[in-house]
Amino acid sequence: DVKVTQSSRYLVKRTGEKVFLECVQDMDHENMFWYRQDPGLGLRLIYFSYDVKMKEKGDIPEGYSVSREKKERFSLILESASTNQTSMYLCASSPLLDLYEQYFGPGTRLTVT
Amino acid sequence: KQEVTQIPAALSVPEGENLVLNCSFTDSAIYNLQWFRQDPGKGLTSLLLIQSSQREQTSGRLNASLDKSSGRSTLYIAASQPGDSATYLCAVGGSNYKLTFGKGTLLTVNP
Repeated sequence: DVKVTQSSRYLVKRTGEKVFLECVQDMDHENMFWYRQDPGLGLRLIYFSYDVKMKEKGDIPEGYSVSREKKERFSLILESASTNQTSMYLCASSPLLDLYEQYFGPGTRLTVT
Repeated sequence: KQEVTQIPAALSVPEGENLVLNCSFTDSAIYNLQWFRQDPGKGLTSLLLIQSSQREQTSGRLNASLDKSSGRSTLYIAASQPGDSATYLCAVGGSNYKLTFGKGTLLTVNP
């Protein structure tokens, strides 16, 4: 079974803090994704990585950066957290030849106060 | 730009009823369409994936259909159970590797 884990289920941070959200997958997948999910807006893609040290912006990259130093780990970084980044963050991974077969982690609910 | 719409936004049915969830998309040039399930506060679980060349997929009590030309998909759930209560999301795979998600249908199955 593919397993995607996220470092925290719930996180509370203050405005202006630097926040790291970690995602690890154990299926040797090349592709990894970060989404945010908000009521009324659905899931939106923040960043995508198709290989170590490779990344592409998604639909809403502003205010975020990512890091992929190892194949199994994909980190989402909020350089200076703001209240409008309060959201549910979902990580996903997929095999090289099937970008669409995405396996999701349990999510991190981030609250920025 | 692809847009995915799910109707209804919420649905409440008694246990045992058969039901249909609807998904429509604006750009018919899709690679595939997936239905996901999301339990409250949890991640997504893929239920069914239909490739663009297929018309339907079945898994147990679930049947998903795809009509690319009309930009529609349905998820049919037979003999619904309280354990089916969740949010169901439709996602369309486009040529640019992206999944475009609908906002979901919140299903409640009452015992």
